[in-house]
Amino acid sequence: GAGVSQSPSNKVTEKGKDVELRCDPISGHTALYWYRQSLGQGLEFLIYFQGNSAPDKSGLPSDRFSAERTGGSVSTLTIQRTQQEDSAVYLCASSPRQGARAFFGQGTRLTVV
Amino acid sequence: GESVGLHLPTLSVQEGDNSIINCAYSNSASDYFIWYKQESGKGPQFIIDIRSNMDKRQGQRVTVLLNKTVKHLSLQIAATQPGDSAVYFCAETPYGNKLVFGAGTILRVKS
Repeated sequence: GAGVSQSPSNKVTEKGKDVELRCDPISGHTALYWYRQSLGQGLEFLIYFQGNSAPDKSGLPSDRFSAERTGGSVSTLTIQRTQQEDSAVYLCASSPRQGARAFFGQGTRLTVV
Repeated sequence: GESVGLHLPTLSVQEGDNSIINCAYSNSASDYFIWYKQESGKGPQFIIDIRSNMDKRQGQRVTVLLNKTVKHLSLQIAATQPGDSAVYFCAETPYGNKLVFGAGTILRVKS
């Protein structure tokens, strides 16, 4: 596809369950970001991948959150033992190189009940 | 985390008026700046960018101004239309580093 693709678009899960959110970046983009956005609020940085460098995990809110990027392409954000406060829209973005314009997906809306 | 827990400021303008959205950035080493627009239910979309060797750049109905002395960025929208209603984010990037987003501003256009 031409843009950043995220799946699922919506996810409802029970408190305590694990969830996986997927991001397919634009082909050839070396940089990939994950952000979290609560209703009516700004973009909370979670994690940043750039090429083969060690990811910048400084934004992950707890050890329940983890992410990986396989083969420099697809990325998965995993939230273990979900809590109600994890409910938010999770946005993925990719960029052709470090420090360049980022292109966003439509996001995954996560609801923890 | 960055930009967390803040209720976004709101700018209300009359349709047809000009809008000015301001952003204070944090890193004097930042050399590239971007404005994004986010409509309800969508991901942020690129509007316009500017490099630190410029102080003004114009697009279609939008102008970005950069004042490096006071680390200030602004987005001017001419003849604001109802379709301009959205949340606007500025972003900065220190050379060779990740994008850092500002808190965001809600723009409401009154008809």
